[in-house]
Amino acid sequence: EVQLVESGGGLVQPGGSLRLSCAASGFTVSSNYMSWVRQAPGKGLEWVSVIYSGGSTYYADSVKGRFTISRDNSKNTLYLQMNSLRAEDTAVYYCARVRLPVDSAFDIWGQGTMVTVSS
Amino acid sequence: DIQMTQSPSSLSASVGDRVTITCQASQDISNYLNWYQQKPGKAPKLLIYDASNLETGVPSRFSGSGSGTDFTFTISSLQPEDIATYYCQQYDNLPHFGGGTKVEIK
Repeated sequence: EVQLVESGGGLVQPGGSLRLSCAASGFTVSSNYMSWVRQAPGKGLEWVSVIYSGGSTYYADSVKGRFTISRDNSKNTLYLQMNSLRAEDTAVYYCARVRLPVDSAFDIWGQGTMVTVSS
Repeated sequence: DIQMTQSPSSLSASVGDRVTITCQASQDISNYLNWYQQKPGKAPKLLIYDASNLETGVPSRFSGSGSGTDFTFTISSLQPEDIATYYCQQYDNLPHFGGGTKVEIK
């Protein structure tokens, strides 16, 4: 079965760090474009970051310089290292597969992991 | 960055009604436009890709149209299980989502 399972969310103080994981099954992370999307409580979807199959990485301006997307091919897992966290980073974080270059759809999503930044 | 303007932000309709949501891009994105359904507490689900293609397994009452800057998402006959928030998404250079449309039953 093709699926994504996120983990690593929790409560962290402002200025702290957290690493999210997204374990894939049924397909190979390194052969696909993978992304993180977040959703603040009661708000819409916000794209956060993407890693291309070739390794190129891109970030939303709101997280550039603070967040790092990466993958571990041996574990078939995607990561999001989040540093210098702010209250406005509080959100459910989803990992998703992007179906590039066939089309640009986010076709497989994880269940999400909640990150709360608060003192 | 290409911005997506989605409207309305919410709507209320009766079961069986035709529901239409629009999404406007700030510049030409050809047909690189996708639509998602998100139910409360759940991850988004892909419904339509490349503006008008129905994802496998999605009911045919859902459809999409448009190209360039103006796109439309339609539910031909609203069902109780369609209560959700719907989002458009473009991926011209980097991805962006529209603000969402919350669909409720009247």
